[in-house]
Amino acid sequence: TQLLEQSPQFLSIQEGENLTVYCNSSSVFSSLQWYRQEPGEGPVLLVTVVTGGEVKKLKRLTFQFGDARKDSSLHITAAQPGDTGLYLCAGSTLQGGSEKLVFGKGTKLTVNP
Amino acid sequence: GAVVSQHPSWVICKSGTSVKIECRSLDFQATTMFWYRQFPKQSLMLMATSNEGSKATYEQGVEKDKFLINHASLTLSTLTVTSAHPEDSSFYICSARGDRKNQPQHFGDGTRLSIL
Repeated sequence: TQLLEQSPQFLSIQEGENLTVYCNSSSVFSSLQWYRQEPGEGPVLLVTVVTGGEVKKLKRLTFQFGDARKDSSLHITAAQPGDTGLYLCAGSTLQGGSEKLVFGKGTKLTVNP
Repeated sequence: GAVVSQHPSWVICKSGTSVKIECRSLDFQATTMFWYRQFPKQSLMLMATSNEGSKATYEQGVEKDKFLINHASLTLSTLTVTSAHPEDSSFYICSARGDRKNQPQHFGDGTRLSIL
């Protein structure tokens, strides 16, 4: 069974601070996605990283895929209250001939004004 | 683009009732659709994978006779929870993906199922 360890599980910070969320695994993924989920809604895709060492930026969010494609990080600069939400990483893997997503447990981020 | 619609968003029903949830891809053809279950304060757990026109593949521990999945077209998949009981209460989420390599899954907004 492939596992994706996500940390921290909870994070409460003040507006303007920086933060990093980590996803680690002993398994190699063909790609990795980061999602953000609001209460009572489905996850919304933020980014997909495919190449080892890849770095993608989305405004104040920076996503990095590890060289070995086993881990990833999400860094938020100057966090704002609107960034509050549940952040999920998900690794794409081939199992039984079909491609599936393995989700981390999520990081619940609260940004206080 | 890549919009997935899920209906209904909220269901409350009595124990023993069967409940059908629909998942539609509105602006793309979904070769593969996925059904997940999410319990409070937990992550998404994959229940089954369905490809258009073929039988769904269920994850270990998921009863295929209880969670009936139909994927009859490239834009619609349904999940029927048969004879639902309180322990089936959960947040059910579908996702859809096209057939190009490394195409991400796009998720519906989920269905909150409460069995009394």
